[in-house]
Amino acid sequence: DVKVTQSSRYLVKRTGEKVFLECVQDMDHENMFWYRQDPGLGLRLIYFSYDVKMKEKGDIPEGYSVSREKKERFSLILESASTNQTSMYLCASRVGGRAVETQYFGPGTRLLVL
Amino acid sequence: AQSVTQLGSHVSVSEGALVLLRCNYSSSVPPYLFWYVQYPNQGLQLLLKYTSAATLVKGINGFEAEFKKSETSFHLTKPSAHMSDAAEYFCAVSRQYNNNDMRFGAGTRLTVKP
Repeated sequence: DVKVTQSSRYLVKRTGEKVFLECVQDMDHENMFWYRQDPGLGLRLIYFSYDVKMKEKGDIPEGYSVSREKKERFSLILESASTNQTSMYLCASRVGGRAVETQYFGPGTRLLVL
Repeated sequence: AQSVTQLGSHVSVSEGALVLLRCNYSSSVPPYLFWYVQYPNQGLQLLLKYTSAATLVKGINGFEAEFKKSETSFHLTKPSAHMSDAAEYFCAVSRQYNNNDMRFGAGTRLTVKP
């Protein structure tokens, strides 16, 4: 079974702090994704990585950056956390190359920014 | 760009009753369509997907969905609801030939009454 793990289930941070969310997958998938999930808005793509050190902006990249130094690990960085970044963050991975492939999701990190 | 609309943010059914969750899509090219389920405090997992091989798609846990091009719909059904079906359901669309543009609907929360 594919396993996608996220470093924290719950996180509380202060406004202005730098926040790191880590995601690790164990199936050698090329593609990895970061989404945020908000009530009534569904999932929105923040960033996508199609290979090590390669990334593309999603629909809402402002205020976020990402890092992919190793194939199995994809990090989301909030350079200076703000209250409007309070949300559920979901990481996913997928075999590369075709949009038909299934995305596998981690359990999510619920972030509260005070 | 492609998008999905899920009609009804909340659906409530009695145990044993038919489950019908509605999804309409918009896409300028042939789409792939997905239904994901999210149980409380978990990530999303794939229920089923339409890959253009067959219009009636069967998934896990007794769910199925029918692709209707003329109605641009991909509604999810289950003949008899079970208490364990209570969850949030997301419809998603991606365009064939494009690697990174899956778009999710806002979600429908299904409640099952005893």
